[in-house]
Amino acid sequence: TQLLEQSPQFLSIQEGENLTVYCNSSSVFSSLQWYRQEPGEGPVLLVTVVTGGEVKKLKRLTFQFGDARKDSSLHITAAQPGDTGLYLCAGGNSGNTPLVFGKGTRLSVIA
Amino acid sequence: DTEVTQTPKHLVMGMTNKKSLKCEQHMGHRAMYWYKQKAKKPPELMFVYSYEKLSINESVPSRFSPECPNSSLLNLHLHALQPEDSALYLCASGTRGTEAFFGQGTRLTVV
Repeated sequence: TQLLEQSPQFLSIQEGENLTVYCNSSSVFSSLQWYRQEPGEGPVLLVTVVTGGEVKKLKRLTFQFGDARKDSSLHITAAQPGDTGLYLCAGGNSGNTPLVFGKGTRLSVIA
Repeated sequence: DTEVTQTPKHLVMGMTNKKSLKCEQHMGHRAMYWYKQKAKKPPELMFVYSYEKLSINESVPSRFSPECPNSSLLNLHLHALQPEDSALYLCASGTRGTEAFFGQGTRLTVV
């Protein structure tokens, strides 16, 4: 069974600070997704990374896929209250196997 | 169009009621999913449809009955639910296990 360990589980920071969320596994994934979810809403796909060592940027968010495709990180620069939410990583494999989700990181950015 | 539409957004039902949740996507995705999400937890996979055929049933009780009338629609029929079935029910669609696009969810309360 593939597992994704996400850390930290909870994070509360002041506006303007930087943070990094980690997603680690002992298994190789063909792709890695990051989602952000607000209470009562569905997860929104932020990015998909597929190549080992790949780095993608989305405004203040930087996503990295590990060289061995077993881990990923999400770095937020100068966090804002609007970044508050549940961040989920999910690993994908080829074929029709469903995504494997991490347990999520609950981020709270205080103004 | 990367939209997955779920209806209704909120549903309150009694334990003897029969109701249905509906999901629609027009992205041409051939994989569609139902997830259940309890508060402060990641989504839990319930069912996977691939090319309109049920490919994965994660040991879900028979009071939940999925249906895929065509490649764009996915239903979840509910009957004789229990209060512990109250949760956010999420529909998603995707291609070959690489990523999933989620709907906004249906907040279900069983009374």
